Amino acid sequence: DSGVTQTPKHLITATGQRVTLRCSPRSGDLSVYWYQQSLDQGLQFLIQYYNGEERAKGNILERFSAQQFPDLHSELNLSSLELGDSALYFCASSPRREGRGGYTFGSGTRLTVV
Amino acid sequence: KNEVEQSPQNLTAQEGEFITINCSYSVGISALHWLQQHPGGGIVSLFMLSSGKKKHGRLIATINIQEKHSSLHITASHPRDSAVYICAVGPFGNEKLTFGTGTRLTIIP
Repeated sequence: DSGVTQTPKHLITATGQRVTLRCSPRSGDLSVYWYQQSLDQGLQFLIQYYNGEERAKGNILERFSAQQFPDLHSELNLSSLELGDSALYFCASSPRREGRGGYTFGSGTRLTVV
Repeated sequence: KNEVEQSPQNLTAQEGEFITINCSYSVGISALHWLQQHPGGGIVSLFMLSSGKKKHGRLIATINIQEKHSSLHITASHPRDSAVYICAVGPFGNEKLTFGTGTRLTIIP
């Protein structure tokens, strides 16, 4: 157990639907990062939150949004789902804003859009 | 050209062999990370490097900032080392990690 908890582990949903992925960071970590890993694109950075505020944005689609709550857990919302959104979604946390304390990854949520 | 290039893409070796995986990058970085992803999908952070060399058990990571190159070495490789090893870099000024495409390592008993 890495200390970063992601739920659910697996999710199967239909095109056009909306899902929410949840991440609880390791205790004491203030930064949360979301990554997408698809077969054709590899791992890509989506978005980072630090202590409740958006810190950095990567290749995140407009159909996707995220937030970090006061208790530091984060949610990634994916809407109007398309087949191409099928991927592994990872959350990672780090103690500091810059990630220099290193990253701890969760075990991922495998999303399948049918 | 990708910002992060790894080689080889696939590597099969016999148990006990010394393994080297290479990573080259083209941007200025604040740190380079080596990650391990097992077949189950989970990712483990192995090393974070900004200079020199780090060792953890049978794993050694080195980085040459001038040449923009890093290597991950595994000594006395074991079948449980079979995994995908991913290099990632964090450019100066932001934390948008950019990832290599990974090296799939298979160690045969």
